[in-house]
Amino acid sequence: GENVGLHLPTLSVQEGDNSIINCAYSNSASDYFIWYKQESGKGPQFIIDIRSNMDKRQGQRVTVLLNKTVKHLSLQIAATQPGDSAVYFCAEIANFKAAGNKLTFGGGTRVLVKP
Amino acid sequence: DAGVIQSPRHEVTEMGQEVTLRCKPISGHNSLFWYRQTMMRGLELLIYFNNNVPIDDSGMPEDRFSAKMPNASFSTLKIQPSEPRDSAVYFCASSLDRGVNQPQHFGDGTRLSIL
Repeated sequence: GENVGLHLPTLSVQEGDNSIINCAYSNSASDYFIWYKQESGKGPQFIIDIRSNMDKRQGQRVTVLLNKTVKHLSLQIAATQPGDSAVYFCAEIANFKAAGNKLTFGGGTRVLVKP
Repeated sequence: DAGVIQSPRHEVTEMGQEVTLRCKPISGHNSLFWYRQTMMRGLELLIYFNNNVPIDDSGMPEDRFSAKMPNASFSTLKIQPSEPRDSAVYFCASSLDRGVNQPQHFGDGTRLSIL
């Protein structure tokens, strides 16, 4: 994919450590949030989602936390593996009733896993 | 199951030429989305369809861009005439329907270079 290579924040993580990727959003009315992973030359791949009426959701090795008070979203990856190296995007649906399933993407964070 | 299929994967053409990008959504999905990804602007939604009908085309840059969805299994994004600033990776995504809990699934994109 065409990632924002020179301007992306980068998180370097030792293999086996936990990773935390953060995302701030601006619209307090956002209904739904998704984390995507994008590897080089591929499209964004769905990881996990969370609705605005939840504050935590867990998947396989991943956990998403939503703090609506400060409009903050995070993705935690447990026991980070080399295959987790990618760019991670948060995305939100800002106003489902008005705009339907229209996602707005954040700028992305590059995760580099060191062996 | 096959994911979203896009063609071609790469396209290089001279400015002024017509470009047609193609997308086959996941079978059974009712919503289809076209995105553009560039280094400067990240991932941007261009247009989306629900049940083959365009719902929101506010992201289409200008009249040179057009998108069609003649049936539930095929969509095209056309640029005529193309310009160098149209160079980007274009992604197609589909989701089951317009519901909030429906994540979008992306193809691997078409990398477009306009010389």
